[in-house]
Amino acid sequence: DTEVTQTPKHLVMGMTNKKSLKCEQHMGHRAMYWYKQKAKKPPELMFVYSYEKLSINESVPSRFSPECPNSSLLNLHLHALQPEDSALYLCASSLRTPEKLFFGSGTQLSVL
Amino acid sequence: GNSVTQMEGPVTLSEEAFLTINCTYTATGYPSLFWYVQYPGEGLQLLLKATKADDKGSNKGFEATYRKETTSFHLEKGSVQVSDSAVYFCALDNNAGNMLTFGGGTRLMVKP
Repeated sequence: DTEVTQTPKHLVMGMTNKKSLKCEQHMGHRAMYWYKQKAKKPPELMFVYSYEKLSINESVPSRFSPECPNSSLLNLHLHALQPEDSALYLCASSLRTPEKLFFGSGTQLSVL
Repeated sequence: GNSVTQMEGPVTLSEEAFLTINCTYTATGYPSLFWYVQYPGEGLQLLLKATKADDKGSNKGFEATYRKETTSFHLEKGSVQVSDSAVYFCALDNNAGNMLTFGGGTRLMVKP
């Protein structure tokens, strides 16, 4: 299994909603990442988990809350988002370092 | 700091034309260099990589050579196909942590 699976593929939420994005991999990778990608822009790193511990937080607002329950799962909890948070959210994993990142297909998020 | 600069797109070519997408970088130390490809509606996939000067990465007919003297990693393909239409991202890893620096992306459109 060489896939990173993200759910849901699409999500529409209001500014008062609470939702979660999920990411799963079964490649034994110990580093997992959340990226945000706006249209026609490169991905921007949000968070990195290494061995299930948060190792990098790129000054992301607290309305985004990551969680890594185990080595295969990565969640991104969303609360009180703003319309400008609408974007494609990509999960990725790698064995240890980003020598080869495996990306999921992303969750297209729209905040109304 | 690290940065990656790519030629702006879109690049529009006819099928079987020769492709070059320019990429130059600024980095401390000896970075590893990557090309990722993003097809419509999907996440990013690693296309090829090079980890040291003069290395040539190649995959699916694409190739790029790590040129330290010109700090470049240009992507080339001798004969493009319609199925190559996608956005191509040049990226570097300075081997100092779990972070990739992406260029802005170049959209390639190949017409039959």
